[in-house]
Amino acid sequence: AQSVSQHNHHVILSEAASLELGCNYSYGGTVNLFWYVQYPGQHLQLLLKYFSGDPLVKGIKGFEAEFIKSKFSFNLRKPSVQWSDTAEYFCAVYSSASKIIFGSGTRLSIRP
Amino acid sequence: KAGVTQTPRYLIKTRGQQVTLSCSPISGHRSVSWYQQTPGQGLQFLFEYFSETQRNKGNFPGRFSGRQFSNSRSEMNVSTLELGDSALYLCASSWALREQYNEQFFGPGTRLTVL
Repeated sequence: AQSVSQHNHHVILSEAASLELGCNYSYGGTVNLFWYVQYPGQHLQLLLKYFSGDPLVKGIKGFEAEFIKSKFSFNLRKPSVQWSDTAEYFCAVYSSASKIIFGSGTRLSIRP
Repeated sequence: KAGVTQTPRYLIKTRGQQVTLSCSPISGHRSVSWYQQTPGQGLQFLFEYFSETQRNKGNFPGRFSGRQFSNSRSEMNVSTLELGDSALYLCASSWALREQYNEQFFGPGTRLTVL
């Protein structure tokens, strides 16, 4: 069965540190890839998405993600995090076979 | 434009009871999906409705069911509640059927506690 793995369950960083959250999926066919974010007390919202084209996609709030097809990965990055980035981050993969599957989430805590 | 709304926001039920949750999508959105969010399992897809028809279904038992009305509003029902059904139930809407072309907009969720 298809799956989405987010290996980091909880990441703690200081402000201005660089961020990379891992996301790997298991499906050999065409996929659409997403990162969603859930700030404390707020709704899940889309951070960025990849459908096709340039594998480096830019999202809101300075986030970006790179699709590496050979590694089945779609890691989320941000060069310098802020305290306001404290949230839970979910990777999601859509395929015609499995429809939408979410990863288990990564909780990001930023020390001011 | 108003966002996705879910009612009620909080529910406490006991084992064996049934519950109905409601979701109103963003105006113009015709696709509604439901998810169960728990700390251990993350977000798990329950089902998706489009034009009053269930188009996709996740791996949940038949106790979980749903429907969509002609105005795109959707309800989710869970019968014979179990302790393990305690979770945050999220509804998401989009204007087309496939996630491929459109992002989903999530509601605030309904927090269900089963005692």
